[in-house]
Parts: sequence; structure tokens; C-alpha cells
Amino acid sequence: NAGVTQTPKFRVLKTGQSMTLLCAQDMNHEYMYWYRQDPGMGLRLIHYSVGEGTTAKGEVPDGYNVSRLKKQNFLLGLESAAPSQTSVYFCASSYRPNEKLFFGSGTQLSVL
Amino acid sequence: GQQLNQSPQSMFIQEGEDVSMNCTSSSIFNTWLWYKQDPGEGPVLLIALYKAGELTSNGRLTAQFGITRKDSFLNISASIPSDVGIYFCAGPGATDSWGKLQFGAGTQVVVTP
Repeated sequence: NAGVTQTPKFRVLKTGQSMTLLCAQDMNHEYMYWYRQDPGMGLRLIHYSVGEGTTAKGEVPDGYNVSRLKKQNFLLGLESAAPSQTSVYFCASSYRPNEKLFFGSGTQLSVL
Repeated sequence: GQQLNQSPQSMFIQEGEDVSMNCTSSSIFNTWLWYKQDPGEGPVLLIALYKAGELTSNGRLTAQFGITRKDSFLNISASIPSDVGIYFCAGPGATDSWGKLQFGAGTQVVVTP
């Protein structure tokens, strides 16, 4: 089983560039999430979705946009990358909200 | 901001030793989750706790939901090299709106032979 798949695994951007992180899950989960992980800060929620066509802001949404056009996919976009967005990004999904999240293997993003 | 305090930040232990870590919150939690993250991977759920006082085991792992609902503990018995990683506590605060699952900063465990 693939579970939660994130692409790409690594990316380097220049300040001001844009990119989209892709997340796909094959577990038919309604709930999907994007987190960022920074040293000593645990995981912080960027945006989440409670179902196809819905999105909502998390704890640190500024500078990011998301879309959930299909139930199995959740896209995270950076319109104008900044060095402060250098981080490891994790996508996750769950059958019920706020519990038993299944995580992807992460995307290491560096913004120069 | 982050309400979960996880300690210790890191632990260097010898193979065979027991490990204990805990998580405290400034507010009541309805659920406590413990995750492990291997290097270069995403977190994987180890144990989920749903009731105050609940004690749950998963192999050599044991976790407890504190009776005050503001803390949780994770113990690893007889550690082995593959226990290396970062352990996170997490949970939705009872007073938080949906979607805000909070994570502790993590406990880095290093096991030496």
C-alpha cells in the first residue's frame, strides 16, 4: 500500500520563485493536512481540508495556499517563496479528524 | 502558540535501558497520541489514548493518559538500536477548534550499543 505520497522529496528555490507540493493518499480519507517541521518546534499545521473542495487555515497559513480539487489529492502552493519558508513539509491524512494521522515521508525545501 | 511541553528534549541511552518521556499541556486534552519519526521519514503513530487514566501498551512501549487530562507519559522498555528517532506527543485541545492537532517539540532518542 502506498499510503500518503509526497512529491518532490527535495527542492531548492530562489527567493520569489513559486512552486507546488503534491500530496496523494489512497486510503479514501476525508481529512488531509499540511504541516511544516522546524528544529525544536515540532509540527505546525499550515492548512487542512475536511473533504473534497474544502480548505481551512491552520496555525501558520501565511504565504501558503492550498487546493483540494479531488478527494485523494491535497496541493500546497508557495506563490513567492521566502527564506523563512525553508523547512520540511509533511502531508497527512486521516479517517477521522484529529486522530491517527498517516504522514507522507516529507519534502525538504530550501529557499535561498 | 504551542501549548504542549515535551521533555526531555533529547536522551542518550545505552541499549537495554528503559526510556521515559512525558508531555504536559496548559489545557485539558481529550486524546493523546504518541508518534515516532525515523530519520528522513514522516511520523508514524505508536499509541493512541482516549480516556483519563488509560494505560496502553504496544510491544515494549507503554503510554498513559494522565488523570488530570493535562499530561501523558511514554515508556520504552529494554531499548534497542531501532528505537532511535524522535518521539512526539500530540493531541487536540478540548477547547481548540477543529483541525488544530497540537504537537510537542519532540524527544530525540539516541541508543548506543
